[in-house]
Formats: sequence, structure tokens, C-alpha cells
Amino acid sequence: SSELTQDPAVSVALGQTVRITCQGDSLRSYYASWYQQKPGQAPVLVIYGKNNRPSGIPDRFSGSSSGNTASLTITGAQAEDEADYYCNSRDSSGNLVVFGGGTKLTVL
Amino acid sequence: QVQLVQSGAEVKKPGSSVKVSCKASGGTFSSYAISWVRQAPGQGLEWMGGIIPIFGTANYAQKFQGRVTITTDESTSTAYMELSSLRSEDTAVYYCARDLGSSWVFLGYWGQGTLVTVSS
Repeated sequence: SSELTQDPAVSVALGQTVRITCQGDSLRSYYASWYQQKPGQAPVLVIYGKNNRPSGIPDRFSGSSSGNTASLTITGAQAEDEADYYCNSRDSSGNLVVFGGGTKLTVL
Repeated sequence: QVQLVQSGAEVKKPGSSVKVSCKASGGTFSSYAISWVRQAPGQGLEWMGGIIPIFGTANYAQKFQGRVTITTDESTSTAYMELSSLRSEDTAVYYCARDLGSSWVFLGYWGQGTLVTVSS
């Protein structure tokens, strides 16, 4: 079982805002990173650290954190944002890495 | 631009071992953490372990302790992941991923994945 918990599925209407969450005790001490994965492709880092976007990631993606919960927000979701989203962070010991179970985002 | 190129697909018998390679280009190899992440069919991402080449000591997820070995060859900028005592549940796509630094969790560059099929 994962130390990071995500909702299995979330949906959003085209152009609306959606928040995907990731819960875990280690998030009180460490930031989460977020990855987008489309079918048959390798994951892509979309948010890391406090709220940093790698080059090429649209600014509609943003990250935040409060207590034991990290969030990925997509403001104005596009059809191409339909994908699986995973969070990761350090585990409770701080020595290892864990992934959340993933959230399947559907854009309606 | 950093690129990670992994070795090709493998078919293995239960009980055997597999060694997957990940060759890096376009950046400094030794200072950045390399992780191995696997994904079973229809399942999520699972961190197996990682290494910072310049330090040479790998960290492993508890689930894989004793079965996985992660190494690097700095002369060829290549990382390796060897998994032993294979069973059918190890059938998965195995990815290498390079950190943006040494945080272990900023996996900014990924290989294309290597499908390992374990079947008798």
C-alpha cells in the first residue's frame, strides 16, 4: 500500500478548474512532485518543489500544499490534459521515495 | 538536452534475473540522482530504488530489498537495474528517471521504458 493517497478518478468540464489531491503524513515535511502520464507514454514532470513548473509545462498547472495534503490545480482544463496524474514525495523516514496510487482525470 | 535511452524489451523465465540499462546523454551524469520506477500493466508507478553516481550507494524500496541491485558506470554514463528471482508479478514496464538535482523526487527526465515479461 502507498503512503500517499490519491482519489482514483476525477472529472472536469472543458475549460473549468480541477484540483487533484495527494494525502500523506510525509507531506507535512516534504513537498510533492506531480507527473502526468498519457497512455503508452512515460510520465512527465509537471510540478515540483513548492510550485515550480519545468520548461514547457503550461502555466495552467500549479501546485500547493497544506498540512498533510498536496494539490495539483489545473485552471482552465484542456482536452489534452486528460491523463493519469501521480504525486510522489519522500516517505515518512525521509530516506526513500513513494508514489501515490494515481488519479485518472477525465475532461468532459 | 538530457536524454535517457534504455535497453530493449526482455522475456524472462520465472526464477531468472534481468538487467536493464539506461544510458544518459546531454548533461552531467555523476551529480544527479537516478531512480528506477516500474509500472505493472494497468497499474500505478512504483519506485524501486535509486542512486547518485558520484556517491555510488543505492537506496532501495523495502519491497525490493535483497532482489534489486542498482549500479552505475560513470565512464559510459549508464545506470543499471538488475532484478533477480523473477516472478510473474514482475511483468512490468521499467523506467529510469533522472532527478533535476539530488532531491530524489524531482524526476524531470525519463527513459522510454523497458518492458520485462516474466513467463514460463
